[in-house]
Amino acid sequence: DAEITQSPRHKITETGRQVTLACHQTWNHNNMFWYRQDLGHGLRLIHYSYGVHDTNKGEVSDGYSVSRSNTEDLPLTLESAASSQTSVYFCASSPGRGAFFGQGTRLTVV
Amino acid sequence: KNEVEQSPQNLTAQEGEFITINCSYSVGISALHWLQQHPGGGIVSLFMLSSGKKKHGRLIATINIQEKHSSLHITASHPRDSAVYICAVTGNQFYFGTGTSLTVIP
Repeated sequence: DAEITQSPRHKITETGRQVTLACHQTWNHNNMFWYRQDLGHGLRLIHYSYGVHDTNKGEVSDGYSVSRSNTEDLPLTLESAASSQTSVYFCASSPGRGAFFGQGTRLTVV
Repeated sequence: KNEVEQSPQNLTAQEGEFITINCSYSVGISALHWLQQHPGGGIVSLFMLSSGKKKHGRLIATINIQEKHSSLHITASHPRDSAVYICAVTGNQFYFGTGTSLTVIP
């Protein structure tokens, strides 16, 4: 069955380190999204991509970057992790309507 | 300003009660989604609507495009329905509500 997977599921890192969260989908969807979820804020869009080599900034993109070298993967990189980036991160993919979400990655920056 | 507003934020119900969660949005959309997030964190898509009404088991979702409003109903609620329910809309991008935390007490 097609699916969307995130890895790792849990990560603890130190302030200032570079961290990459992986997102892989097997539906061949063009649209992929990264969100963070924080108490009181719901889901907020970080970056999104509508296809290979296409990336766009979302609402809370500062401190994050993404790259899209193939259809299946949209890795999210924290260039220099900060405590404010402690959150739960969700990846989603969409064929254009509807969406499928990964299970989430809980990131703690200490 | 939030493009998607949900109410209530928190809801506690007795098992068997009929539950309604409301969602209002302010942007043009092509579709509205109801999502369910379980305590473990995983998110599943319950419904995608662009008009009318959809039903799946005890769950019913309706949308009124003219009023920019949607409702999610749960009939005969059960403790396993306890979760956070999130309304999201698809326009140029996804916009999400902050969610409604539902607790169903046996």
